[in-house]
Amino acid sequence: TQLLEQSPQFLSIQEGENLTVYCNSSSVFSSLQWYRQEPGEGPVLLVTVVTGGEVKKLKRLTFQFGDARKDSSLHITAAQPGDTGLYLCAVSYSGAGSYQLTFGKGTKLSVIP
Amino acid sequence: NAGVTQTPKFRILKIGQSMTLQCTQDMNHNYMYWYRQDPGMGLKLIYYSVGAGITDKGEVPNGYNVSRSTTEDFPLRLELAAPSQTSVYFCASSPEGGPTEAFFGQGTRLTVV
Repeated sequence: TQLLEQSPQFLSIQEGENLTVYCNSSSVFSSLQWYRQEPGEGPVLLVTVVTGGEVKKLKRLTFQFGDARKDSSLHITAAQPGDTGLYLCAVSYSGAGSYQLTFGKGTKLSVIP
Repeated sequence: NAGVTQTPKFRILKIGQSMTLQCTQDMNHNYMYWYRQDPGMGLKLIYYSVGAGITDKGEVPNGYNVSRSTTEDFPLRLELAAPSQTSVYFCASSPEGGPTEAFFGQGTRLTVV
């Protein structure tokens, strides 16, 4: 059974602060996605990473894929109230069921003005 | 583009009643998924389909059934509703499986009393 853990579960910060959230798997995964979900909405894709050690940037968001392909981090610089939401990582594993996405429980971020 | 459309948005069921959650997508995606999201629990896969006429169980299929007679539609059937099925249900679609973007509907909030 593959386990996917996200930390922290909750994070409340002031506008302008920096933060990092993490996603860790008990097994090597073939790809990882980060989604953001706002209240009352479905998740929306932020980024997909497929190469170990890969770093991607999306404005103030920096996504890193661990070399061992078992972990990832999302760093937000100078957080803004619009960053508030639930951040979910989702992985696909190689082999049978590789077309399925397994989601973590998410990190609920609140950015206070 | 409408994307993924789910109906209804809200529903209250009595224990033992049945209902069908509707999901339709207009992106000609082969892959479709049903997830449930419980508070603090992330998204769990109920059923998925890799094309018309093909469906398979996900992580938590008990108490649910699906069908995929067309590419566009992927309804989820609840038979004999139970309080444990109180949740928010999301339908999603993707052009392929694995590390391709999943597009989500806005969700159906179901309460079983």
